[in-house]
Amino acid sequence: AQSVAQPEDQVNVAEGNPLTVKCTYSVSGNPYLFWYVQYPNRGLQFLLKYITGDNLVKGSYGFEAEFNKSQTSFHLKKPSALVSDSALYFCAVRAPPSSGNTGKLIFGQGTTLQVKP
Amino acid sequence: NAGVTQTPKFQVLKTGQSMTLQCAQDMNHEYMSWYRQDPGMGLRLIHYSVGAGITDQGEVPNGYNVSRSTTEDFPLRLLSAAPSQTSVYFCASSGRAEQYFGPGTRLTVT
Repeated sequence: AQSVAQPEDQVNVAEGNPLTVKCTYSVSGNPYLFWYVQYPNRGLQFLLKYITGDNLVKGSYGFEAEFNKSQTSFHLKKPSALVSDSALYFCAVRAPPSSGNTGKLIFGQGTTLQVKP
Repeated sequence: NAGVTQTPKFQVLKTGQSMTLQCAQDMNHEYMSWYRQDPGMGLRLIHYSVGAGITDQGEVPNGYNVSRSTTEDFPLRLLSAAPSQTSVYFCASSGRAEQYFGPGTRLTVT
């Protein structure tokens, strides 16, 4: 069965410092991996995805994520955090499209990122 | 493109009432889904559809019905509202990769 784990409920970082939000996954086959961000009282916004190719994926707002197949991880990173990055971040996984695969997206529990000035 | 739209934005129901949450997308996506978001529980899949006329249950389907008569619309029906259905509901659609989410409906059942 597919599953996603975000081991940290909250990550605190000072503005200007690098940030990492962790995600590990379990899925059969080669996964499609995603990061979404949710600002207060808003819907989820797509940040980036990994489907195939380079293990380092770049996305919106300066975020990037590294796919590590051996560790089944897809950690979200940013070299220099901004106060405006403070939000709730979700990692998600789905099995690749194939016959009989409905493409359901499974979400982690979410990690609150707090960036302090 | 309007993307994914949801109505209403807010709703208060009394226990036992029924209502329909509307969802529409204009991206010609085959896949649509409904999630509920509760504090500390992330997003949980209620129902999903892989195309017009095809729906299936997700993780938490009890108390909800869906139908998909067109590619664009995917309404979610609460048959007899219960306080446990107080939540924020999100509709999403996707092509072959990422999902696009609507702005959400905040539902309170008293």
